[in-house]
Amino acid sequence: GDSVTQTEGLVTLTKGLPVMLNCTYQTTYSPFLFWYVQHLNEAPKLLLKSSTDNKRTEHQGFYATLHKSSSSFHLQKSSVQLSDSALYFCALTPNNNNAPRFGAGTKLSVKP
Amino acid sequence: DMKVTQMPRYLIKRMGENVLLECGQDMSHETMYWYRQDPGLGLQLIYISYDVDSNSEGDIPKGYRVSRKKREHFSLILDSAKTNQTSVYFCVGGPYAEQFFGPGTRLTVL
Repeated sequence: GDSVTQTEGLVTLTKGLPVMLNCTYQTTYSPFLFWYVQHLNEAPKLLLKSSTDNKRTEHQGFYATLHKSSSSFHLQKSSVQLSDSALYFCALTPNNNNAPRFGAGTKLSVKP
Repeated sequence: DMKVTQMPRYLIKRMGENVLLECGQDMSHETMYWYRQDPGLGLQLIYISYDVDSNSEGDIPKGYRVSRKKREHFSLILDSAKTNQTSVYFCVGGPYAEQFFGPGTRLTVL
């Protein structure tokens, strides 16, 4: 079945450093991949999405590239800010009308 | 963008009581989902609705049922709630290329 794996449960960084949050997926269908950000006591909000192989997509300083050859969609930012502290979910929607699948989430904690 | 609403936002129930969580959407989109979110487990799929009266179990349907009599309205029902159903519940809907979340319902079962 379809699945998403996020290997880091918690990432702690100092402000200004780069970050990469890992996301790999499994599906036999052509997927749409998403990153959502969730702040405390709020609903997840879409950060960026892609279905195009090897094309970088960017939003609010974050970027990710879908690599179908390695089934990956890692989220990166070159310089994290305190306001980036949140829970980040990677998600997959296969194009066969199956339900979206979410990773377990990575909590990003940015320290001064 | 599709707007998804959920009522109530917060709910406290005693074990054994019945619970009704309601979800609405403003675009008459066919497919809707109910997920629950627990720390470290991400979002787990409870039920899928493909359209009115066309529902399917997700990964963790035990203890839950759903109702969809109008496309705009999708309910999650807990008959005789259990303490392990304490969680945050999200209603989600939208097309393949974009999913829209409701604000969530925080349910506590004592």
